Amino acid sequence: GDSVTQMEGPVTLSEEAFLTINCTYTATGYPSLFWYVQYPGEGLQLLLKATKADDKGSNKDFEATYRKETTSFHLEKGSVQVSDSAVYFCALSGGAGGTSYGKLTFGQGTILTVHP
Amino acid sequence: NAGVTQTPKFRVLKTGQSMTLLCAQDMNHEYMYWYRQDPGMGLRLIHYSVGEGTTAKGEVPDGYNVSRLKKQNFLLGLESAAPSQTSVYFCASSYAAGGPYEQYFGPGTRLTVT
Repeated sequence: GDSVTQMEGPVTLSEEAFLTINCTYTATGYPSLFWYVQYPGEGLQLLLKATKADDKGSNKDFEATYRKETTSFHLEKGSVQVSDSAVYFCALSGGAGGTSYGKLTFGQGTILTVHP
Repeated sequence: NAGVTQTPKFRVLKTGQSMTLLCAQDMNHEYMYWYRQDPGMGLRLIHYSVGEGTTAKGEVPDGYNVSRLKKQNFLLGLESAAPSQTSVYFCASSYAAGGPYEQYFGPGTRLTVT
């Protein structure tokens, strides 16, 4: 079945540092890939998405590129802020072929803490 | 436009008690989902629905039942709660047409079973 693996956390950075959170996936077919963010005490929000190979998703200065050859979708940001402290989830949809009804398969989440 | 709402926000149950979690969405979405979130395991799909009157099992359905009597509501029931069901429960919804089916999440229900 489909699976998503994220880098081990938690990740602690100083403000303005460069961020990378690794995500790799296993799926048949051509999945869509997502990054969701969860701020403390809240539900998940879509951060960015990519639907085909070589697509780059971007939002709020975060970006991730769909790499089919390495089955990866790493999240990056050039300069993090304290307000970026949250849990980040990589997810995929539609990888198993046929109609997936939008079901998401999530990675385990990576806790990011940014200090001033 | 409230998006996806969940009630209650918190609940404590004793083993063997029952309860129902309510999810409501006002975006006219066809698809709705229930997930549970446990530390280090991400979110796992419990049940989902592709339309009013339809439900289907997800990855971890045992011990839960669901109903979708109205398009805007999706109920998750625990008939006999167990400590292993202590978790944070999230409801989500999405459009049916086209893709890639962005899901909109509710704020969650934190359930503790003692």
